[in-house]
Amino acid sequence: EPEVTQTPSHQVTQMGQEVILRCVPISNHLYFYWYRQILGQKVEFLVSFYNNEISEKSEIFDDQFSVERPDGSNFTLKIRSTKLEDSAMYFCASSETASGNTIYFGEGSWLTVV
Amino acid sequence: AQSVSQHNHHVILSEAASLELGCNYSYGGTVNLFWYVQYPGQHLQLLLKYFSGDPLVKGIKGFEAEFIKSKFSFNLRKPSVQWSDTAEYFCAVRTRNQGGKLIFGQGTELSVKP
Repeated sequence: EPEVTQTPSHQVTQMGQEVILRCVPISNHLYFYWYRQILGQKVEFLVSFYNNEISEKSEIFDDQFSVERPDGSNFTLKIRSTKLEDSAMYFCASSETASGNTIYFGEGSWLTVV
Repeated sequence: AQSVSQHNHHVILSEAASLELGCNYSYGGTVNLFWYVQYPGQHLQLLLKYFSGDPLVKGIKGFEAEFIKSKFSFNLRKPSVQWSDTAEYFCAVRTRNQGGKLIFGQGTELSVKP
């Protein structure tokens, strides 16, 4: 079965540093998402991306965050200046359409900010 | 705004007991409904999904869920749980609006005692 792949699986970074989390969505998918899950909490929506632009973003997705699809295969999430509270598991997801299809999740990137 | 509510935060059962996890959503239009499972330390895996048609859907590992439109509910059931079902269970709703994002419930932690 096709998979969404994410790298790195785990990253430790110092507060204030920039972090880039990478994702390779399933090849024929057009809708891309980032979610995060703080330890022990629910899965929270960050941003959706379609046709090379953001479709929707949550309140969490402030100016510190950005997304990019630089080369037609990768889908990246950048955090410019990390804060302690950015420590979480970040999930990338993709889907073929906006409705009527499953959203597939990657295995996640665990970010620890120290 | 759309929301998803899971009734139980933590459920503890003995092996072979029956399971029902409640999920209600608030949205008046057409929805896609999902249950995801997250085993300890792992990523989200799709258990089952409902798009249309028969409101009783069967998923992997003996799970099933019933969509009751009049009650805005999509409860998850399993007739006989096993110790290996210990995990966090997330109900999620997807609408066609706003890039087709998934909205997750708070999650229900299931602990099955051997």
